Amino acid sequence: DGGITQSPKYLFRKEGQNVTLSCEQNLNHDAMYWYRQDPGQGLRLIYYSQIVNDFQKGDIAEGYSVSREKKESFPLTVTSAQKNPTAFYLCASMISASSASGNTIYFGEGSWLTVV
Amino acid sequence: DQQVKQNSPSLSVQEGRISILNCDYTNSMFDYFLWYKKYPAEGPTFLISISSIKDKNEDGRFTVFLNKSAKHLSLHIVPSQPGDSAVYFCAASARGSARQLTFGSGTQLTVLP
Repeated sequence: DGGITQSPKYLFRKEGQNVTLSCEQNLNHDAMYWYRQDPGQGLRLIYYSQIVNDFQKGDIAEGYSVSREKKESFPLTVTSAQKNPTAFYLCASMISASSASGNTIYFGEGSWLTVV
Repeated sequence: DQQVKQNSPSLSVQEGRISILNCDYTNSMFDYFLWYKKYPAEGPTFLISISSIKDKNEDGRFTVFLNKSAKHLSLHIVPSQPGDSAVYFCAASARGSARQLTFGSGTQLTVLP
């Protein structure tokens, strides 16, 4: 089955710790994205990557880091510099970000991060 | 500055009736629009999309209408079913921005049996 797998589903972090959320896709998509959702709000873009070994900051990148060493993997690290990390994190992918027409972005099931 | 707005946080309709969810946008560079359905603690599920070269797209019970002059789109669900109860997000993308999606804040649809 093709899809986007995020792990872990639930994660607890102590103050001052870095944590890494995993995102793997077997859709052969070029572009991958990380979004954050806070209760009662829409999704906000953290980082995106159009191709392997390239990534760009989104609207709320401060306190986060990413890597894109393989096409199928786009892990997100929530660092201790992120002041309010408790949220629902969503990874997404799209076949290509460079097409002239729009394409559908597909989402994983999400990861809940709670700071304790 | 919210570029995509869903001004109704919630909507309740009777089963079998039509549900109409609305979305407004301000960025004239947006040329592709999508609707997603989301349950709590799950990822959004793609429902339907529309390109700016069209004004209507239909897929089964779901129809999306786009009014470019008013910068407004709407999602019609008919007939509405209790299983349609969820949060619906409107999203938009523009060429040249890695096609990243800009989301509205969502509308909670409740379909009453």
